[in-house]
Amino acid sequence: SQQGEEDPQALSIQEGENATMNCSYKTSINNLQWYRQNSGRGLVHLILIRSNEREKHSGRLRVTLDTSKKSSSLLITASRAADTASYFCATDGGAAGNKLTFGGGTRVLVKP
Amino acid sequence: KAGVTQTPRYLIKTRGQQVTLSCSPISGHRSVSWYQQTPGQGLQFLFEYFSETQRNKGNFPGRFSGRQFSNSRSEMNVSTLELGDSALYLCASSLAVDTGELFFGEGSRLTVL
Repeated sequence: SQQGEEDPQALSIQEGENATMNCSYKTSINNLQWYRQNSGRGLVHLILIRSNEREKHSGRLRVTLDTSKKSSSLLITASRAADTASYFCATDGGAAGNKLTFGGGTRVLVKP
Repeated sequence: KAGVTQTPRYLIKTRGQQVTLSCSPISGHRSVSWYQQTPGQGLQFLFEYFSETQRNKGNFPGRFSGRQFSNSRSEMNVSTLELGDSALYLCASSLAVDTGELFFGEGSRLTVL
């Protein structure tokens, strides 16, 4: 079963627009990560935010974390057609190791 | 630097057969994790290995097993295949445990008929 829920499940935007997706989780965490997956391919790590951080930036990506609400958001600014993919949040459940629990993902379609 | 390599990329089996999937991690990475991805259940953790020892195991039946070799390469095996085992099996490597970022391979897509 998945710990996280992501919303929306799908998102369609025009190139140049911003895309925002949200993730909620259930247990305590050490960190939360976001990954991207192009159709049927492997996952690519985007960004990691630690439980004591509230916001993190990487290029066109901005991630926020609210541990009191057990939620995170990923913002992609000035989206490009190449950003079309599924985006997943993943949490470690507060435990040691690389066992991650993934959300259900948000499918993003960026139209040129 | 070569990425995570998974073989085979695609395979078709019939119910009752067994299958072995292979994963070669990035050179120098000692931790290997396996995940199953299906449309219905999403991404689910199978196992994690570090230095040939299983560190964590997900909630899968005993038909799913794995191992890691001294060169960090890993294999997973599924015996007595069921239709529901059809999935994309993803392997991920990292330098060590608790490093956060996982590097994923392209996956092995298993179809069980």
